[in-house]
Amino acid sequence: KAGVTQTPRYLIKTRGQQVTLSCSPISGHRSVSWYQQTPGQGLQFLFEYFSETQRNKGNFPGRFSGRQFSNSRSEMNVSTLELGDSALYLCASDSGGGEVGTEAFFGQGTRLTVV
Amino acid sequence: AQKITQTQPGMFVQEKEAVTLDCTYDTSDPSYGLFWYKQPSSGEMIFLIYQGSYDQQNATEGRYSLNFQKARKSANLVISASQLGDSAMYFCAMRGVTRGGYSTLTFGKGTMLLVSP
Repeated sequence: KAGVTQTPRYLIKTRGQQVTLSCSPISGHRSVSWYQQTPGQGLQFLFEYFSETQRNKGNFPGRFSGRQFSNSRSEMNVSTLELGDSALYLCASDSGGGEVGTEAFFGQGTRLTVV
Repeated sequence: AQKITQTQPGMFVQEKEAVTLDCTYDTSDPSYGLFWYKQPSSGEMIFLIYQGSYDQQNATEGRYSLNFQKARKSANLVISASQLGDSAMYFCAMRGVTRGGYSTLTFGKGTMLLVSP
């Protein structure tokens, strides 16, 4: 079956603009999580959505938001972009059961560059 | 709070040799899961191996094995017979339980592995 699909793969935006990233999970998966990856901070958890509700949230400012649709597809939005938002944004989907052994499947990421 | 520590920023190994990538963790959760992921330059995180905190035996998946020492809170990845295609970033991750009762993944900083011919 198809894997996790993230679009677009690459984005260049200007400071102050906003951006929307999209993630289509594996069919049947109900949980979608978003991560920001930078060379300095590594992989940091942004938020998780399950059944259209935000279930967990990382320590990011309110400029970072997300949502999930009834078909489990998810979008994340970053408003008022800053240079420090340049990163690889990874989306992961899983069954959503919440067990500690739940395997997450990742997309190839969206590389955002803010200039 | 959970924390994963990978102390090796980079490792070099020759093709066909074995290599161990270190991972230590800290958690107060009684139950947790430990994962290793590989990230090639393309960016996608590829699942390699999983170890549950209550599993008695060390996990193995083909050329990958996980050396789990619970008392030391370590979960080292062992890659046997390295191949050129193993060159990538490797991340150790842990899934514990949040206050809401659901689990999230916490990642280490990663180790860059380079395999030479």
